[in-house]
Amino acid sequence: DTEVTQTPKHLVMGMTNKKSLKCEQHMGHRAMYWYKQKAKKPPELMFVYSYEKLSINESVPSRFSPECPNSSLLNLHLHALQPEDSALYLCASSQEGGPRPQHFGDGTRLSIL
Amino acid sequence: EDQVTQSPEALRLQEGESSSLNCSYTVSGLRGLFWYRQDPGKGPEFLFTLYSAGEEKEKERLKATLTKKESFLHITAPKPEDSATYLCAVQQSSGGSQGNLIFGKGTKLSVKP
Repeated sequence: DTEVTQTPKHLVMGMTNKKSLKCEQHMGHRAMYWYKQKAKKPPELMFVYSYEKLSINESVPSRFSPECPNSSLLNLHLHALQPEDSALYLCASSQEGGPRPQHFGDGTRLSIL
Repeated sequence: EDQVTQSPEALRLQEGESSSLNCSYTVSGLRGLFWYRQDPGKGPEFLFTLYSAGEEKEKERLKATLTKKESFLHITAPKPEDSATYLCAVQQSSGGSQGNLIFGKGTKLSVKP
């Protein structure tokens, strides 16, 4: 079982809907990440939070809005998405300081109608 | 340009037939190289971290090695349950304390009984 929990596992939404993806970890990690993964492609980094502060935004469109309410939780708010945003959204966490492995959740499979 | 290249793209083995997967990289200042396993519909599962040339790590039937230009994931006497996509990722020194992971495209391994 993964130690990074993502909800929901599947989400279908229309282009005008607003929804949120949630991620939770209890490993005491202070760095958390959002990735997007299309079929048969590697994960692409979207956002990085370090000590609850946004440290990296990989030029992601504003229809994706991340939030880190505390050290254990990470949200991704979605609004006015496009069909090409359909993908597997992965959350990961790691310890801070040095090259530490990132531990991934099982993702949310998002489909935009 | 920083790159991570994995080969082969796909590998079919018979159960018990040992082989190796390759990950070659060209990055400025390697901080760490990571191997992950990803099953369909799941998030990447962390396997190994390698930090410096000459380093080796082992886990069950898997052994990862690192040189200055590439890493190998050796699979000894594989079983059908080893079937998965294996991802290699590198973290470079210019990526900040978290460091962006640069992923290869993966090798899809199929092990037939």
